[in-house]
Amino acid sequence: NAGVMQNPRHLVRRRGQEARLRCSPMKGHSHVYWYRQLPEEGLKFMVYLQKENIIDESGMPKERFSAEFPKEGPSILRIQQVVRGDSAAYFCASSQQGTLNGYTFGSGTRLTVV
Amino acid sequence: KNEVEQSPQNLTAQEGEFITINCSYSVGISALHWLQQHPGGGIVSLFMLSSGKKKHGRLIATINIQEKHSSLHITASHPRDSAVYICAVRLRRGGGADGLTFGKGTHLIIQP
Repeated sequence: NAGVMQNPRHLVRRRGQEARLRCSPMKGHSHVYWYRQLPEEGLKFMVYLQKENIIDESGMPKERFSAEFPKEGPSILRIQQVVRGDSAAYFCASSQQGTLNGYTFGSGTRLTVV
Repeated sequence: KNEVEQSPQNLTAQEGEFITINCSYSVGISALHWLQQHPGGGIVSLFMLSSGKKKHGRLIATINIQEKHSSLHITASHPRDSAVYICAVRLRRGGGADGLTFGKGTHLIIQP
């Protein structure tokens, strides 16, 4: 059981480019959560997804950010037209059946916008 | 005011000392997590609590639902325990399971 896999571990983008962050949940987990950790700040909830559905996106910025969790393949967090303020660590977590049982985090993707 | 408050913000102790990190929250919750994060590293879930006390090795976590308070204790602390410890709660809301709300973390340094 490989745990929650995030890639890439590090991502550098120039301002205006797109960033795509991937998260493969643990085997048997059908719920995915994305969090953002800005430098020197705490973790903040962004979005909660089940397969093919966004359940709660109350923490997502209204523009440039989107997330999906298709029937096949990993969950994707997409940031269009990145700006320097998007530089952060983005963590994914997964759980079973939405009860937070076996809540497991990935190692994160560290996005740097130059 | 944050919904989740941790104290202390920073803690430096000597190897072997008993460590206590506190977490208070201001809203109803259905569960509380203690997480560990090493510098530049990933996040490890140490405990999930909804009541009482849990123990794993040298780590002990307690929660008092009435007082809206939880503590994380480390016995016989070791330099490898140096990390950021984060308290996170799942708020009691209607609907399905949504995300966690986090404290700002306690930076722990254990000196040899």
